[in-house]
Amino acid sequence: EAGVAQSPRYKIIEKRQSVAFWCNPISGHATLYWYQQILGQGPKLLIQFQNNGVVDDSQLPKDRFSAERLKGVDSTLKIQPAKLEDSAVYLCASSLGMGGNTIYFGEGSWLTVV
Amino acid sequence: RKEVEQDPGPFNVPEGATVAFNCTYSNSASQSFFWYRQDCRKEPKLLMSVYSSGNEDGRFTAQLNRASQYISLLIRDSKLSDSATYLCVVNQGGGADGLTFGKGTHLIIQP
Repeated sequence: EAGVAQSPRYKIIEKRQSVAFWCNPISGHATLYWYQQILGQGPKLLIQFQNNGVVDDSQLPKDRFSAERLKGVDSTLKIQPAKLEDSAVYLCASSLGMGGNTIYFGEGSWLTVV
Repeated sequence: RKEVEQDPGPFNVPEGATVAFNCTYSNSASQSFFWYRQDCRKEPKLLMSVYSSGNEDGRFTAQLNRASQYISLLIRDSKLSDSATYLCVVNQGGGADGLTFGKGTHLIIQP
């Protein structure tokens, strides 16, 4: 079974530039998550989708971050404009549904803002 | 948002020893608990779920204490390959099930 796919794996941009990350969840998984993991910390939930609807985006910095899952499958996360503190790994994850289902992570997209 | 606290370590443990670490959570409404393992520069992967009655998987034992709001992980007969960061994970409960991760405990098994 194919896992969660993410791209790009690595990205270096200058501050104030924009960047977009793409995620394709495991086939059939209704719930999709974007997490931000800063070095030395645990992953922090940015946004959670159930199909194409947003369930939780309370920790998403909406002035610069946006995410969409228009057809309930793939998702994109965009940062515009980027700040130095956005340097992190952006992990996409998916699960069959909500309510304690196992979450499977992609390998992550490593962002460095210089 | 409720917190999950872990001792970041590192825990330096000789091969073959037993090691245990705990995690505390603040949201009393939490209903699901997990331990995830994360290797250096890799994504987190589920190690085991934590049930109210406790559960064991080979050398690994997880326990939940709801009254004191803590979760523990015990590793027996530790192997070099157990070296990793162990993330305590708690769901928020109350509808949205986004998981809250602790910062992780770094374990180093020494030969």
